[in-house]
Amino acid sequence: DTEVTQTPKHLVMGMTNKKSLKCEQHMGHRAMYWYKQKAKKPPELMFVYSYEKLSINESVPSRFSPECPNSSLLNLHLHALQPEDSALYLCASSQDPSGQYYNEQFFGPGTRLTVL
Amino acid sequence: AQKVTQAQTEISVVEKEDVTLDCVYETRDTTYYLFWYKQPPSGELVFLIRRNSFDEQNEISGRYSWNFQKSTSSFNFTITASQVVDSAVYFCALSAPGDYKLSFGAGTTVTVRA
Repeated sequence: DTEVTQTPKHLVMGMTNKKSLKCEQHMGHRAMYWYKQKAKKPPELMFVYSYEKLSINESVPSRFSPECPNSSLLNLHLHALQPEDSALYLCASSQDPSGQYYNEQFFGPGTRLTVL
Repeated sequence: AQKVTQAQTEISVVEKEDVTLDCVYETRDTTYYLFWYKQPPSGELVFLIRRNSFDEQNEISGRYSWNFQKSTSSFNFTITASQVVDSAVYFCALSAPGDYKLSFGAGTTVTVRA
């Protein structure tokens, strides 16, 4: 099973709402990622969790709050977002980026977020 | 610093034509990994191939083939006899051992017309 799942597929929220994006993988991968992708641009890395610990935060605003409840799940909590945060949010996972594996990342289908 | 350049922004072909996507990279690492991903309109990035820097053997998978040339720092991708389903954005990416980050190129949009 090489699948990464994400819910919801689409999300529309107001600037005062609180919502969460969910990601799940059952490949036994130990690294999980959140990316943001604007139209016609490559994905931009936001966060990396390695062995359920936050390893990288690419200076993401605090209105985005990641959480890794266990090795299979990754959440992204959203609060007080701005219209410019509207984008495709992609989750990915990889085996073990500590140097022993090649770190190809497998991506989920993404959540298309619109902030009104 | 790592950098990936995909000089072609958009390519449009008629079905059954061959199309080659260029990818040029820069890195100071002696060991590194190169990747190609496909992103159809549905949005999911689909992993196509990984190539290690120490393996310059070219690869063919069905209608897809990849040409890795370390001497010119290029990792080009050819779709033979293109089909409408090949219409997508294709990203070339680069990473180093132990590195969480993928350095993506800007992407090339391929449109295959029937």
